[in-house]
Amino acid sequence: EIVLTQSPGTLSLSPGERATLSCRASQSVSRSLVWYQQKHGQAPRLLIYDASHRATGIPARFSGSGSGTDFTLTISSLEPEDFAVYYCQHRDRWPYSFGQGTKLEIK
Amino acid sequence: QVQVLQSGAEVKKPGSSVKVSCKASGGAFSSFIISWVRQAPGQGLEWMGGTMPMSGATNYAQKFHGRVTITADESRTTSFLDLSSLRSEDTAVYYCSFYSHPFDYWGPGSLVTVSS
Repeated sequence: EIVLTQSPGTLSLSPGERATLSCRASQSVSRSLVWYQQKHGQAPRLLIYDASHRATGIPARFSGSGSGTDFTLTISSLEPEDFAVYYCQHRDRWPYSFGQGTKLEIK
Repeated sequence: QVQVLQSGAEVKKPGSSVKVSCKASGGAFSSFIISWVRQAPGQGLEWMGGTMPMSGATNYAQKFHGRVTITADESRTTSFLDLSSLRSEDTAVYYCSFYSHPFDYWGPGSLVTVSS
């Protein structure tokens, strides 16, 4: 099974700052990686698919990059509603797996 | 737009089994890849397994092999998760998701509490 490792575990930033979240895979997943945002008590929300494509309705401040084993989610200028937990997941082949999450908190 | 409904909360005894259902409305059910994901209190997301109704293919995370069964009933556009030999560590919110590239639809989650 492919292991996804996210860093950092917690990221403390202020609104308006840039956030950079990392996801590393234990073996190549090509570009078959998605990013989710999850707020407390809610189901995850798809942000990015195929490593770099924004899902429907996702603001342009969210961007994804990477391929193979190293991926990045960038939020260019944080809005108050962006403070949440972010997960990466690969969909290269079964079994799929998630990273352990990055908590983005207000500094 | 696809709507996803899940069955209600359950309280189970250790050693028993639970069956959670997940119904999708408004989409081409057979074309989806259906995943079941759980989240223990205060923990991250954990992929349990998935099924493809079109092909009948199913796959499970190694951790759950032998304890979990995922099925899909196309006539009812519903997927089911069966988890057996429950223990306290299985207390979690169980989510289903329906994926048809590039769209992704999640249910609201079903809380399963395992307690004696």
